[in-house]
Amino acid sequence: DTGVSQNPRHKITKRGQNVTFRCDPISEHNRLYWYRQTLGQGPEFLTYFQNEAQLEKSRLLSDRFSAERPKGSFSTLEIQRTEQGDSAMYLCASSLAGQGEKLFFGSGTQLSVL
Amino acid sequence: GNSVTQMEGPVTLSEEAFLTINCTYTATGYPSLFWYVQYPGEGLQLLLKATKADDKGSNKGFEATYRKETTSFHLEKGSVQVSDSAVYFCALAGANSKLTFGKGITLSVRP
Repeated sequence: DTGVSQNPRHKITKRGQNVTFRCDPISEHNRLYWYRQTLGQGPEFLTYFQNEAQLEKSRLLSDRFSAERPKGSFSTLEIQRTEQGDSAMYLCASSLAGQGEKLFFGSGTQLSVL
Repeated sequence: GNSVTQMEGPVTLSEEAFLTINCTYTATGYPSLFWYVQYPGEGLQLLLKATKADDKGSNKGFEATYRKETTSFHLEKGSVQVSDSAVYFCALAGANSKLTFGKGITLSVRP
């Protein structure tokens, strides 16, 4: 068990560019979550997968955001036409359904949009 | 919708002091309640949890009791250490284990 891995750790981009983040969950976990955390706030739910199916998306997730989990293993979160307001820490978490709601979090990807 | 309210911070204590961090929640039904901790430079880690009313979660000397009547889940520790310095988040689990977090509170413990 190597934990939840997120790449890159940091991303600096210019406004208007597209960015993509990757999350590798714990291997046997079938649930995967994306959260966003801004300074001084708690993490906010963005979206959730069970296996490869995206089952819920927050209203925070604008049309510029898209997430995939093509084979039910790793996931990607893409932000198109980034805006300065997208600057935040993007957190991924995974869990095993039926194991008591315990989520394991990655260290996150810090996005800075200039 | 679900929400979690934490007391305002930051909190600074001397080593061996008593710690209380307040947390109240609003939710439909009876959600599971959690405290997560984020040490400097690390990811969020589950500290403790409680799944039903009057349950007490405990770990590493920290405790919290699920109080349905006051919709609270206050975190306590009898004697804090410098190594407890971190950001603490209260959270509740809704459908599909989706967590709703409070804003978090930074605890600094002085030697």
